[in-house]
Amino acid sequence: DTVLTQSPATLSMSPGERATLSCRASQSVGSSLAWYQQKPGQAPRLLIYDTSTRATDVPARFSGSGSGTDFTLTISSLQSEDFAVYYCQQYNQWPPATFGPGTTVDIK
Amino acid sequence: EVQLMESGGNLVQPGGSLRLSCAASGFTFSLYAMSWVRQTPGKGLEWVSLISGSDGSTYYADSVKGRFTISRDNSINTLYLHMRSLRDDDAAMYFCAKGMSTLHLVHDFWGQGTVVSVSS
Repeated sequence: DTVLTQSPATLSMSPGERATLSCRASQSVGSSLAWYQQKPGQAPRLLIYDTSTRATDVPARFSGSGSGTDFTLTISSLQSEDFAVYYCQQYNQWPPATFGPGTTVDIK
Repeated sequence: EVQLMESGGNLVQPGGSLRLSCAASGFTFSLYAMSWVRQTPGKGLEWVSLISGSDGSTYYADSVKGRFTISRDNSINTLYLHMRSLRDDDAAMYFCAKGMSTLHLVHDFWGQGTVVSVSS
């Protein structure tokens, strides 16, 4: 199975700052990587798929990049509603699809 | 508006069985793959199973293969997960999630989840 590692585990940021989240795969997943946002008590919400395609209604401040084994989610200017947990997911080699352990973006 | 509503979660003893349901609305249910994904504080998000929207092909994580069965009833827009031989480590919040196409593991809509507890 493809193992995903996310770093850092926690990112303490201030509103307006730029956040950079990393996801690394144990083997190449091509461009088959998605990012989800989850807030407490809510289901995950799809942000990005195919590495860099924003899902419907996702603000342009969210962007994704990378390929192969190294991927990045960037939030260009953090808004209050962006403080949440972010998960990456690969769907290149499945089953199983696998998720990373998550990065928590909290308020500094 | 796409809506997914899970039900059926409960407290069950180890070795027991349970059936989860997910009622879907707001899209042409039969055309899309549907998955079950579970979440625990310790293990995070874990994809459990997928059923395709075309021929109903099914796929499972190794951890549930042979114990869980995914199915769908396109006439009533409902997804199911039949769970048997439940173990302690099956305890989780179970989400149903819609795939982006007939056979797709990117989940663009999720339900709010239903809780399965396994304890004697």
